[in-house]
Amino acid sequence: DVKVTQSSRYLVKRTGEKVFLECVQDMDHENMFWYRQDPGLGLRLIYFSYDVKMKEKGDIPEGYSVSREKKERFSLILESASTNQTSMYLCASRDGEQYFGPGTRLTVT
Amino acid sequence: EDQVTQSPEALRLQEGESSSLNCSYTVSGLRGLFWYRQDPGKGPEFLFTLYSAGEEKEKERLKATLTKKESFLHITAPKPEDSATYLCAVHAAGGGNTPLVFGKGTRLSVIA
Repeated sequence: DVKVTQSSRYLVKRTGEKVFLECVQDMDHENMFWYRQDPGLGLRLIYFSYDVKMKEKGDIPEGYSVSREKKERFSLILESASTNQTSMYLCASRDGEQYFGPGTRLTVT
Repeated sequence: EDQVTQSPEALRLQEGESSSLNCSYTVSGLRGLFWYRQDPGKGPEFLFTLYSAGEEKEKERLKATLTKKESFLHITAPKPEDSATYLCAVHAAGGGNTPLVFGKGTRLSVIA
């Protein structure tokens, strides 16, 4: 059974904090993705990676960075969290079919 | 530019009332079309992949079909537990690493 896990289901952080969201997949997939999902805006791609240490900007990379040191792990970093980064964050991995993690609901106060 | 448009935005059905959701796409070349189900507060759950026009796939009360311009998700005799948002996405030609392009989804409510 395929599995993508995310480190937290719910997270509350203060403005200005550095935030790490971790994603792990057990399917040996090359491609991994980070999205955010907001009502009325759908899924928006933040960053993706097609190999270890490789990263590509998605549609909305501003305010975010990523790290992929191992094939199975893809981290999203908010260097200085802001209230407009309050959202649902979804990680996915793909090799043909794409599978999503359960999501992290991040609230920045 | 590759685009995916889903309609309707929201659909309300009585239990047992069959209907279809539409996914229209514009891509330079299609590598695959994906359907997902998403429950509130959860990540999307993979349902189907379709690769070529004329292809059909079924799972319980759901059947997905594909033409050269659109895909339909047919829901036969729906039950309240089918209530969810259904997302469509395309993988366009241009390399295996190309991100999927998602539609904004159809929010389905099935009333008992």
